[in-house]
Amino acid sequence: KAGVTQTPRYLIKTRGQQVTLSCSPISGHRSVSWYQQTPGQGLQFLFEYFSETQRNKGNFPGRFSGRQFSNSRSEMNVSTLELGDSALYLCASGGTDSYEQYFGPGTRLTVT
Amino acid sequence: AQSVTQLGSHVSVSEGALVLLRCNYSSSVPPYLFWYVQYPNQGLQLLLKYTSAATLVKGINGFEAEFKKSETSFHLTKPTAHMSDAAEYFCAVTDAPSGAGSYQLTFGKGTKLSVIP
Repeated sequence: KAGVTQTPRYLIKTRGQQVTLSCSPISGHRSVSWYQQTPGQGLQFLFEYFSETQRNKGNFPGRFSGRQFSNSRSEMNVSTLELGDSALYLCASGGTDSYEQYFGPGTRLTVT
Repeated sequence: AQSVTQLGSHVSVSEGALVLLRCNYSSSVPPYLFWYVQYPNQGLQLLLKYTSAATLVKGINGFEAEFKKSETSFHLTKPTAHMSDAAEYFCAVTDAPSGAGSYQLTFGKGTKLSVIP
C-alpha cells in the first residue's frame, strides 16, 4: 500500500499571504488529521476530518482551516500568514481504528 | 487534558549499548500509547503501540516498551543500539474517542537519541 503523501514538500511564503497544503491518506483510510510541529511548541493537533466532516479541532486561530473531499484527500489552508506559522505541517491517516495514525513526510512552510 | 512527559531532551548511548527512553503520561484511565520515530527531514514513523492487549509491546527495529499503570510510564527500550537508531523519538497518548469518535494524539516534547561509535 502506498503511504501518506503530502504536497508540496517545501513552501516559502510572505507574511500576509495564504497557503494551501494537500494530503492524500492511505488508500481506504477515511480519517485525516493535521499537526503542526515547531521547535518551540513541539507537535500540536490542528484538526481531524472523517468522511468530509471535521470531527475535532485543536486550539488554533480561525486562520487555520481545512476540508476533506469525498475521496478522503484533505487540504489545509492558512490565511494571513504570520512569521510564527513557519513550521512542519504533518498529515496523519487513520483507518478503522483511527487511534492508530500513520504520518506523511510533512510540508515545510517558511514564512518570511 | 492529557499530558506526556519525556525525561531527557537528548540521550547519548554508545553503539551496542542499551537504549532507554523514558515516557510518563497523565491519565486516570489506561489510554492508548505510542512511540514514534522521526528521522531528519521526514515525518513520524510508528514504532509501536499499546492498546491494553499486553503490557509488554514489541515494535519494529528491535524496540519494545512496557506499560506500567502503577507508574503511569511507557518507557522505550532496545537492547543494542545501532548507528541507524540515531533520530528523535516521540511518545504520544490518546484517550478514548470524543463523542464524534475522534482520536487526538498528544505528544511529548521528544528525545533526540545520539549513538556514539
